Amino acid sequence: DGGITQSPKYLFRKEGQNVTLSCEQNLNHDAMYWYRQDPGQGLRLIYYSQIVNDFQKGDIAEGYSVSREKKESFPLTVTSAQKNPTAFYLCASSRSGGRFDEQFFGPGTRLTVL
Amino acid sequence: AQSVAQPEDQVNVAEGNPLTVKCTYSVSGNPYLFWYVQYPNRGLQFLLKYITGDNLVKGSYGFEAEFNKSQTSFHLKKPSALVSDSALYFCAVSDQAGNNRKLIWGLGTSLAVNP
Repeated sequence: DGGITQSPKYLFRKEGQNVTLSCEQNLNHDAMYWYRQDPGQGLRLIYYSQIVNDFQKGDIAEGYSVSREKKESFPLTVTSAQKNPTAFYLCASSRSGGRFDEQFFGPGTRLTVL
Repeated sequence: AQSVAQPEDQVNVAEGNPLTVKCTYSVSGNPYLFWYVQYPNRGLQFLLKYITGDNLVKGSYGFEAEFNKSQTSFHLKKPSALVSDSALYFCAVSDQAGNNRKLIWGLGTSLAVNP
């Protein structure tokens, strides 16, 4: 089956630790995205990538980092510089990143800082 | 500024009745509009999109949406609601600024269908 996988489903982190969230897609999509979802705030874009080895900051990139070394993978690192990282994180992909392409979402990772 | 508004935080409807979830937008160019649904603790699922052509767009699970250029609206509709339609619904529009390739999202509308 084609789709997007995110792991882990739940992640707990101590303050001051960096953590990496995994996102893999087998849809052969060029573009990938990371969103953060908080109650009542909708989806906020962290980073996006339209092609391998290239990515752009979204609206709330501070405290996060990404890499895009392979077309299938777009991991997100939440660094200790992110002051309020507890949230639901969603990864998505689209065919070409064009303005009329729909995005396909993974099941999400819920990060909790202890 | 480009934006999307979903004026209702919550919509309640009885099972079997028609439902409408409202969305209005503001963009500088041609609007490319999307509806997504999110069930609890899950990722979003694409329902439908408007790119060009017919103002009435049909999508998944019996949903449709009506594009109205003069009112800058893209309301989601379904003739007969099911309890299983209860979920969070998001409207989005493609950012038309410069080389941006991202979506501008509404804050979501929680739909509750009562049996």
